[in-house]
Amino acid sequence: GAGVSQSPSNKVTEKGKDVELRCDPISGHTALYWYRQSLGQGLEFLIYFQGNSAPDKSGLPSDRFSAERTGGSVSTLTIQRTQQEDSAVYLCASRPLGASSPLHFGNGTRLTVT
Amino acid sequence: QQPVQSPQAVILREGEDAVINCSSSKALYSVHWYRQKHGEAPVFLMILLKGGEQKGHEKISASFNEKKQQSSLYLTASQLSYSGTYFCGTELRGGSEKLVFGKGTKLTVNP
Repeated sequence: GAGVSQSPSNKVTEKGKDVELRCDPISGHTALYWYRQSLGQGLEFLIYFQGNSAPDKSGLPSDRFSAERTGGSVSTLTIQRTQQEDSAVYLCASRPLGASSPLHFGNGTRLTVT
Repeated sequence: QQPVQSPQAVILREGEDAVINCSSSKALYSVHWYRQKHGEAPVFLMILLKGGEQKGHEKISASFNEKKQQSSLYLTASQLSYSGTYFCGTELRGGSEKLVFGKGTKLTVNP
């Protein structure tokens, strides 16, 4: 079946512009996660959703970052007034309900802020 | 909450063994292990849920010491294909599904 789909795969934007990153999880997966990976670095937790609710937004770096999920499916991560330090790969992952379920990752969106 | 992984990097020759450790300062509900190759998405290896649980995946296995809040990933008779960055992810006891990853361990297997 189809995996987690992220779009765009690459995004180049000018400093100060807003960007939207999209994630289509695997159908039926109730939990959805966003992570940020800077060059050569680890997986930085940003936010996760259970259904359409975000129980934990503690990882969002600043109030320029926001995310929503609608219909228990598609999620959008929005970064306003982008800065050069926002440049990174943004990874989305989903998983079904259940304690023993693994994360399925998308291929990520590579964001470059010039 | 971020777990601590060690070592940061390992270089092996094909056929050698390695151990990657993951520790937490808080009580754990689960430990996940993933491998990421350069330019690719992380790929699931295994999940450990119970204290003392051990799981295996070909020549890659892991253990979970609930009391010590630690997990270890064992790679035996390493192959070139094992090269990549290994991440452990942890969920804390308390019901939250927040999954936080360590900084990763870069494993290089040379011929």
